[in-house]
Amino acid sequence: AQSVAQPEDQVNVAEGNPLTVKCTYSVSGNPYLFWYVQYPNRGLQFLLKYITGDNLVKGSYGFEAEFNKSQTSFHLKKPSALVSDSALYFCAVRDPQENTDKLIFGTGTRLQVFP
Amino acid sequence: ETGVTQTPRHLVMGMTNKKSLKCEQHLGHNAMYWYKQSAKKPLELMFVYNFKEQTENNSVPSRFSPECPNSSHLFLHLHTLQPEDSALYLCASSGTGGVDQPQHFGDGTRLSIL
Repeated sequence: AQSVAQPEDQVNVAEGNPLTVKCTYSVSGNPYLFWYVQYPNRGLQFLLKYITGDNLVKGSYGFEAEFNKSQTSFHLKKPSALVSDSALYFCAVRDPQENTDKLIFGTGTRLQVFP
Repeated sequence: ETGVTQTPRHLVMGMTNKKSLKCEQHLGHNAMYWYKQSAKKPLELMFVYNFKEQTENNSVPSRFSPECPNSSHLFLHLHTLQPEDSALYLCASSGTGGVDQPQHFGDGTRLSIL
């Protein structure tokens, strides 16, 4: 069965510092991995995805994520955090072998960037 | 992003009322989804439609009734809801280029059951 875990409910970081939001996954085959961001009173916005190829994926707003197969992780990173990055971040996984449209989401991590 | 539009944005209803949530996508997608987002709980997939056909019903109570008249529109008909149904209901759509396609979300309907 597919699953995804976001071990931190909240991450606090000072503006200008690097940030990492953690995600680990479990699928039977090679995963399709996604990161989404949710700002207050808004829906989820797609940030980036890993399907195949280069393990380092670049996405919107300067975010990137690194796929690590041996650690079954897909951590979201940004070299220099902005206060406007404060939001709720969701990791999601899909197992292409299951031939389903279903995305499995993590419980979300709240990122707070302090000035 | 205005690709997926949900109306109304807020809805307050009594447990005996009947109301409907509407979702419209302008992205040319063929798959549409309903999710429930409650505080401190994971995002719950409710229904999936692909080319207007329901392909997933995630054990949703019958007081929620989806309707997909065409690939651009999705409705969620509500009747005899319970207080625990208060949540943010999100609609999403995706293309059929493959399961590597991301889902695009609307801004949701905040539902409060009195």
